[in-house]
Amino acid sequence: KQEVTQIPAALSVPEGENLVLNCSFTDSAIYNLQWFRQDPGKGLTSLLLIQSSQREQTSGRLNASLDKSSGRSTLYIAASQPGDSATYLCAVRANQAGTALIFGKGTTLSVSS
Amino acid sequence: DADVTQTPRNRITKTGKRIMLECSQTKGHDRMYWYRQDPGLGLRLIYYSFDVKDINKGEISDGYSVSRQAQAKFSLSLESAIPNQTALYFCATSDPGASDTGELFFGEGSRLTVL
Repeated sequence: KQEVTQIPAALSVPEGENLVLNCSFTDSAIYNLQWFRQDPGKGLTSLLLIQSSQREQTSGRLNASLDKSSGRSTLYIAASQPGDSATYLCAVRANQAGTALIFGKGTTLSVSS
Repeated sequence: DADVTQTPRNRITKTGKRIMLECSQTKGHDRMYWYRQDPGLGLRLIYYSFDVKDINKGEISDGYSVSRQAQAKFSLSLESAIPNQTALYFCATSDPGASDTGELFFGEGSRLTVL
């Protein structure tokens, strides 16, 4: 059974700092991996999606990497801002014809000004 | 307007009552999903549907049922609500399309409290 773990569960940084959020998964046979952002009381917003054949994806100040063989992904946030404060979730999809995403429990990020 | 709309957004009910959460989408996606989110447990899949005639149980389907009324509508029912079904419920969609990325798009969530 696929399990997704995110460490740390919470992270506090000062504004301007670069940071890395970690995601690990137990079964390397994934189809893709998706990073989401969730603001309190809100739905999930897709940030980046990495296909199993890709090593990384970039969007603005965000960069997500994928190492399938080691079962790891990282989300790098450059020059953090208070508006980046939110919970970040990663989720993996097992295979193209399979079920929906399996989620980690998230990392709650707080960026202080 | 949101592409994935959930109603109601908040609901308080009593144990034993029947509750329906509704989801509608304007994205034209075939695939729809219901998840619940609990503090410390993350998001867990309840049911999913790949088209109108295809309904599948997820990880935690006991105590829930669903109806796919149309491509755009997917409802989640709690036949007899119990307090441990208190949670934040999310509907999501995805489109296999030509590339079949599986990217999920979420609604804003429905907060259900069962007393």
